[in-house]
Amino acid sequence: SQQGEEDPQALSIQEGENATMNCSYKTSINNLQWYRQNSGRGLVHLILIRSNEREKHSGRLRVTLDTSKKSSSLLITASRAADTASYFCATGADSWGKLQFGAGTQVVVTP
Amino acid sequence: GAVVSQHPSRVICKSGTSVKIECRSLDFQATTMFWYRQFPKQSLMLMATSNEGSKATYEQGVEKDKFLINHASLTLSTLTVTSAHPEDSSFYICSARDDKNNSPLHFGNGTRLTVT
Repeated sequence: SQQGEEDPQALSIQEGENATMNCSYKTSINNLQWYRQNSGRGLVHLILIRSNEREKHSGRLRVTLDTSKKSSSLLITASRAADTASYFCATGADSWGKLQFGAGTQVVVTP
Repeated sequence: GAVVSQHPSRVICKSGTSVKIECRSLDFQATTMFWYRQFPKQSLMLMATSNEGSKATYEQGVEKDKFLINHASLTLSTLTVTSAHPEDSSFYICSARDDKNNSPLHFGNGTRLTVT
């Protein structure tokens, strides 16, 4: 079953703008991860945030986690055309690796 | 970095035939691998957890006799779609957990299965 709901489903922005997408989940988690998927390809891991963390950065990515609201956000700053992809959040109930994925946000960045 | 190789990347088969998809961890050992299914423009649905040397654990609603999983070594898991039907057409993705490194899962590039 799908754990997370993502919002928005689709996002279209211009290069240089920031892209923000949100993920909500239902059950207790050990960690939350964000992945990127280019069309017809596998997933690329972007960032992992643990349940005891509130914010994490990696390059142009910023992730927040609010366990009281069971939600997370992913911010991509200064977007580039190469950021065009689908972005998925995934929650892990333990550190063992089993993940449940959200519905995904399709991001299109136009030059 | 760690690489997971999934093969084939695309396969077309006729209804009633079986198709085997391989998932290999190339530079690490993986006692545990996961198989997902993804429909167009949708999320990944976890099908089963593949455990080396033991039976796979299937998610609710996934037919174990339909989707046979074999994890015979620490670097290879296979998913066989038996007696395939057009509704089995989908994108299948595997992921593997590095036994020695508490790192995020490594994903294969997926297999596009089309059943005619």
